[in-house]
Amino acid sequence: EPEVTQTPSHQVTQMGQEVILRCVPISNHLYFYWYRQILGQKVEFLVSFYNNEISEKSEIFDDQFSVERPDGSNFTLKIRSTKLEDSAMYFCAEGGLRSPLHFGNGTRLTVT
Amino acid sequence: GQQLNQSPQSMFIQEGEDVSMNCTSSSIFNTWLWYKQDPGEGPVLLIALYKAGELTSNGRLTAQFGITRKDSFLNISASIPSDVGIYFCAGQLRLRSGGGADGLTFGKGTHLIIQP
Repeated sequence: EPEVTQTPSHQVTQMGQEVILRCVPISNHLYFYWYRQILGQKVEFLVSFYNNEISEKSEIFDDQFSVERPDGSNFTLKIRSTKLEDSAMYFCAEGGLRSPLHFGNGTRLTVT
Repeated sequence: GQQLNQSPQSMFIQEGEDVSMNCTSSSIFNTWLWYKQDPGEGPVLLIALYKAGELTSNGRLTAQFGITRKDSFLNISASIPSDVGIYFCAGQLRLRSGGGADGLTFGKGTHLIIQP
């Protein structure tokens, strides 16, 4: 089965730096999502993206986060000024109107 | 926001045993999903449920969408070593009228450990 591809697989950054996490969806689904999972905890919803704009965002998704689909294929999550507590696995997911979400293998973000 | 209570938190079973786990919610969902996550990987979809009362199987896995729309269970029959991992339930409330979709609410996971 095709995979949602995420890059990089691991990103280490210093506190206060900007990071961009990338996702390449593999189908013509309409809905794209970012989730995060702090080590040992549950998966948490960040943002959904539909028709090239944000559809819904959680309270975690504050002003330091932004999403883009710059070239119609890649889907990015930018964290403007990283904090220690941003360290987590970040998962991209995609789905259709009635199809369930399929997740990528994630980017492990470590903020030092 | 919605909260999902998933139980048990962990299970220690013998190979060949059947497994049962469930999720309950204080509010209704329109979709229930079950995922399995292996270490260092993303959640992999096991079963998707879209209708209250729906019972769906995928090989040795069976899941049901509760009639009240506030609960779901997952059963695994005749467990094998590769069933080890963390199982998550997830609920989705609705599709938005403008065409967007709500995010999934995940349970905290059931850690399945199979003893030789």
